[in-house]
Amino acid sequence: GAVVSQHPSRVICKSGTSVKIECRSLDFQATTMFWYRQFPKKSLMLMATSNEGSKATYEQGVEKDKFLINHASLTLSTLTVTSAHPEDSSFYICSARGTANTIYFGEGSWLTVV
Amino acid sequence: DQQVKQNSPSLSVQEGRISILNCDYTNSMFDYFLWYKKYPAEGPTFLISISSIKDKNEDGRFTVFLNKSAKHLSLHIVPSQPGDSAVYFCAASATHNFNKFYFGSGTKLNVKP
Repeated sequence: GAVVSQHPSRVICKSGTSVKIECRSLDFQATTMFWYRQFPKKSLMLMATSNEGSKATYEQGVEKDKFLINHASLTLSTLTVTSAHPEDSSFYICSARGTANTIYFGEGSWLTVV
Repeated sequence: DQQVKQNSPSLSVQEGRISILNCDYTNSMFDYFLWYKKYPAEGPTFLISISSIKDKNEDGRFTVFLNKSAKHLSLHIVPSQPGDSAVYFCAASATHNFNKFYFGSGTKLNVKP
C-alpha cells in the first residue's frame, strides 16, 4: 500500500538554529501534503496544506515565516522550523492524500529544541 | 474551538470483549469521517472510514457507526485483542473542503490479556 516516509524521526537542535523535516510519498504522487503538530495530550493540529509547485496554505495562528514549507516535487514536501525555540519542541507529522481520498501519515518527527 | 471531540482520554477493556470508542463533532458540514490508530512514536495508521450517506461501515473486527442527527460516531472493536492497544483518533472533513481534516484528541485503548 501507499507509504509516506518522514525524516528525521528524532532531532535535537539548539535554540536559534533551523531544522528541516522531510516528508516523502514513496509509491504514489501527492500533489497535496499536510503538516500537523501534536501537543502532549492534544489532538493533531493541522498547521498547513502543502501544494506542489505553489505556496503552502497556512492555518490561522501558524507563523508562515517560522514554519517554512516547500513542496518542490510530487513526492517531497519539507517543513523547516526557523530560529527554533524550546516551545517549538513537539511531534510533527506529515500526511499525503492517496487514492480513494485516504490520508496516509508519515511516522512523525520528534523535535527537541534545547 | 475544537470541532471534533473525544471525551474519553482512555479506555480499558478485557481481551475478547467489545471496545467502543466515541467521537462527537460540532460542524454540521462534516460529511466524511475516519478513524486512525496510533502507536507511540509512530504516525497514525488509517483504520476505517465512513461517509454521511451511510450510518454503518464494517471491516473485519472494526465497525464504525455514524449518527448524523446526534453528530456522533463510534468505533466498535470486537473481539478486542491486546494488539489493539493504542491511541485511536477520529477525524472529520467536509467534502467541499476535503483537504482539511479535524482530529479529536484521541482515546488511549488498553486491552488487557
